[in-house]
Amino acid sequence: QSALTQAPSASGSPGQSVAISCSGTSSDVGGYDSVSWYQQHPGKAPKLIIYEVTKRPSGVPDRFSGSKSGNTASLTVSGLQAEDEADYYCSSYAGNTNLVFGGGTKLTVL
Amino acid sequence: QVQLQESGPGQVKPSQTLSLTCAISGDSVSTETVAWNWIRLSPSRGLEWLGRTYYRSKWTSDYALSVSSRITIKPETSKNQFSLHLNSVTPEDTAVYYCTRGFLQYGMDVWGQGTAVTVSS
Repeated sequence: QSALTQAPSASGSPGQSVAISCSGTSSDVGGYDSVSWYQQHPGKAPKLIIYEVTKRPSGVPDRFSGSKSGNTASLTVSGLQAEDEADYYCSSYAGNTNLVFGGGTKLTVL
Repeated sequence: QVQLQESGPGQVKPSQTLSLTCAISGDSVSTETVAWNWIRLSPSRGLEWLGRTYYRSKWTSDYALSVSSRITIKPETSKNQFSLHLNSVTPEDTAVYYCTRGFLQYGMDVWGQGTAVTVSS
C-alpha cells in the first residue's frame, strides 16, 4: 500500500486537459516543496517530468504542469496527445532519508 | 548523456541474497554533486525507494527503514558502478529493480532500464 494516494485511472480526449491528484500528509506533500512526477510508458523506465512541485526538466513539454495546495499535489496535462497515455506516479520527500510514492494513475487518451 | 544499466540474476531463491550492479556511463559514481539510488516497482508495493550512496569527501549510504536491516548499497569506483545487496529475500521482494541518479528532494533525473527479479524456489 503506497504512502501517497492517487486515483487508479484517469482519461480524457485529445486536446482536453486532465488533472491527476496526489494526496499525502503534512509529513510529506504538505511539509516540503519536494513533489516530483514521473511518466512511465509500458516496458519503459519512469521519466521525470516535474520536480520541486512546479519545475520541468529540460525537454519536457510545457503541456505538463504541477501545483500543490496543502497536502495535495496535482499534475495537469493540457492539450492531451495520444503519446501522453501512460502511468503517472507522484513522489514526495518525507524528511530525513525518506521518499514516498503514490500508487500510480493510468492515463487513457480516449 | 548519462546512462545507467542494471545487471544481475533474474531469479533468486527465498532466504538468499539478491545482488545487482548498476554500470554508469557519462558520469562518475564519485561525482560530489549527485547521489545514486536503487528503486523497485512491484504490483503489490508500487514504487519503493530502497536506498542510495553518494560521495561528499567520504562515502555515505542511506537506506529506507523498510529494508534497512538487510540491505547494502556500495560504490565500486574502479568499475564506475554501484551495487545493491538485499539479503534474506522473500517472494515480497519480487520486483523490477531500477538504479537511478538523483536526490530525494529534487527527483530522479536518470533511470536505468530496470531489471526484473523473481524470488522463487
